[in-house]
Parts: sequence; C-alpha cells; structure tokens
Amino acid sequence: NAGVMQNPRHLVRRRGQEARLRCSPMKGHSHVYWYRQLPEEGLKFMVYLQKENIIDESGMPKERFSAEFPKEGPSILRIQQVVRGDSAAYFCASSPPLDNEQFFGPGTRLTVL
Amino acid sequence: GEDVEQSLFLSVREGDSSVINCTYTDSSSTYLYWYKQEPGAGLQLLTYIFSNMDMKQDQRLTVLLNKKDKHLSLRIADTQTGDSAIYFCAEGGNYQLIWGAGTKLIIKP
Repeated sequence: NAGVMQNPRHLVRRRGQEARLRCSPMKGHSHVYWYRQLPEEGLKFMVYLQKENIIDESGMPKERFSAEFPKEGPSILRIQQVVRGDSAAYFCASSPPLDNEQFFGPGTRLTVL
Repeated sequence: GEDVEQSLFLSVREGDSSVINCTYTDSSSTYLYWYKQEPGAGLQLLTYIFSNMDMKQDQRLTVLLNKKDKHLSLRIADTQTGDSAIYFCAEGGNYQLIWGAGTKLIIKP
C-alpha cells in the first residue's frame, strides 16, 4: 500500500505565475488535509477536504488559494499569482473515515523567484 | 493564541539518551503527539499520549506529560544514527493540530 504521494516534490515559480500542488491519498483514505510550513516554523493547517467537499478551510488565505478533492483523481492545492511569501513547504496528509490519525506525504517545496 | 514551543536543535552522542522537550499553551488539548521527519520524507507519527496520562512507554521511546506545567517530553533511549531526524511536537483534539517548529536531533559518533 503506497503512502501519501505528493508531486511535484520541488516547484519553482516566478511571481505572478500559478502553482498547482497535487496530493494522492493512501488507498482507502477519503479525507485529505493540507498544511503549510514556513522556514523554522511549525506546520499550519490550511484546509480539510473529503471527496467533493471542503469541510474546513479556516486556515486558507482568503485570496489566491483554493483546494479541491474531486471524485476521481488527486487533491489539488492551487495558488494563483504567487508571491515570494508563498515560498514554503506544503504538506498533504490523509486519513481513513472515522480515524483521526493522519498519514503525511513528503511535501512539495515551493520556491517563488 | 495557542502556541507550541520547541528548541530547534539537540546534539547527543550515539548510545546516550535524547530528551526532546516541548511546551504548549492550550490546556484543553485531548491528545499530544510526536512526529518524526527524516530528510526528504513525510512526517511519521511516532507516538501520542492522551491528556489524562502522565507517561507512555513504547520500546525505546518514553513520553512524559506534565499537565500542570504544560510540558511534554520525548526520551529516546540508546540513540542511534538512524534516529537523526527532525522531531515535531503537536497538540490538539481533532484534525486541527497546533505544531511546534521541530527539533533537529544531531547524533555525534
């Protein structure tokens, strides 16, 4: 059973471009979480999704950021018009129904030039 | 607001015990967690403790919780080179965890 997959592992964008980060949860997991980690800081919760539903997006910036978890395919975290402050590691985690334990992917390191 | 604090680095000799400390502010947390992150890998749940417990032991790992002082520690006995990683403390009651910045454990030969 493959773990949580994230791609790309490293992403470089220029200011103003769009960044798309993908997360494939573990088999049988229907819950996905996205976190952001700035250098020398802890992870900060961004959004919690179930298939086709956003359950909690209280940690997402109101503008430029969006997330989806379609019925088929990976979860996508989309950042429009990136700025330098968006440079961070973005982690995805998944969990099965009725279980809080989250299994993490290796992260995507976004660098905005 | 809620906060979790950890030292950024800890250096120990191979074979010694490592003690990684964490302080938190939210006294209503139900669970406290320790995660391990190896280079290039995701975060792996090492162990967790319920807030009504004082201690939990799992092989080489011992977790101590002092609720009065809001202090959590992770002791790794007989530290090995494979224990080199960043260790994160996190607290919470549901999916929204509050995370520390992580302690990088450095093993000296």
